Amino acid sequence: EADIYQTPRYLVIGTGKKITLECSQTMGHDKMYWYQQDPGMELHLIHYSYGVNSTEKGDLSSESTVSRIRTEHFPLTLESARPSHTSQYLCASSATGSNQPQHFGDGTRLSIL
Amino acid sequence: KNQVEQSPQSLIILEGKNCTLQCNYTVSPFSNLRWYKQDTGRGPVSLTIMTFSENTKSNGRYTATLDADTKQSSLHITASQLSDSASYICVVSDRGSTLGRLYFGRGTQLTVWP
Repeated sequence: EADIYQTPRYLVIGTGKKITLECSQTMGHDKMYWYQQDPGMELHLIHYSYGVNSTEKGDLSSESTVSRIRTEHFPLTLESARPSHTSQYLCASSATGSNQPQHFGDGTRLSIL
Repeated sequence: KNQVEQSPQSLIILEGKNCTLQCNYTVSPFSNLRWYKQDTGRGPVSLTIMTFSENTKSNGRYTATLDADTKQSSLHITASQLSDSASYICVVSDRGSTLGRLYFGRGTQLTVWP
């Protein structure tokens, strides 16, 4: 069982609110990722980090931002939520190396009203 | 265009039966191919990772095969159990960047009936 945790698991909130999705891992992994997944669709990478103070945008354009101040923590923030942000957000981490598996959290299901 | 296609989209089998899920990819240059299991409402869990030189890898009742020449992979599940009901996702990594970009399939939704 991987030690990566996401909170909250579910969030229903109104348009215009600021949201922070939390992700923490206790495995000491340098690499961390945020994915967006809609029902029946593939995962899309929205942000990733190679280590502390390293953040990059992924393939899918996103209005969210991330920070990596500590190795174990990789929060994602939406400054002003919109209905188009409704989705499932999955956080993952992996050890350094090209053949290392990604360990996923159980996700945050976000609904913007 | 780098793509990962999985078939079938969904599959229903009876408990105790075997099944095989397919994955075709066009990702190049190839680094590795992964199979993940994703239970409803949970994050994906890694089943196997295969590099170019590996053509089969097992994890309990799960056996993955890879044919790098035809760019095909399969996941065989033996003696299925109710707990095997999940989405099975094929993921291919390239060698074209430091990140080792991952290309995700849409998954095969497997339902095991008693």
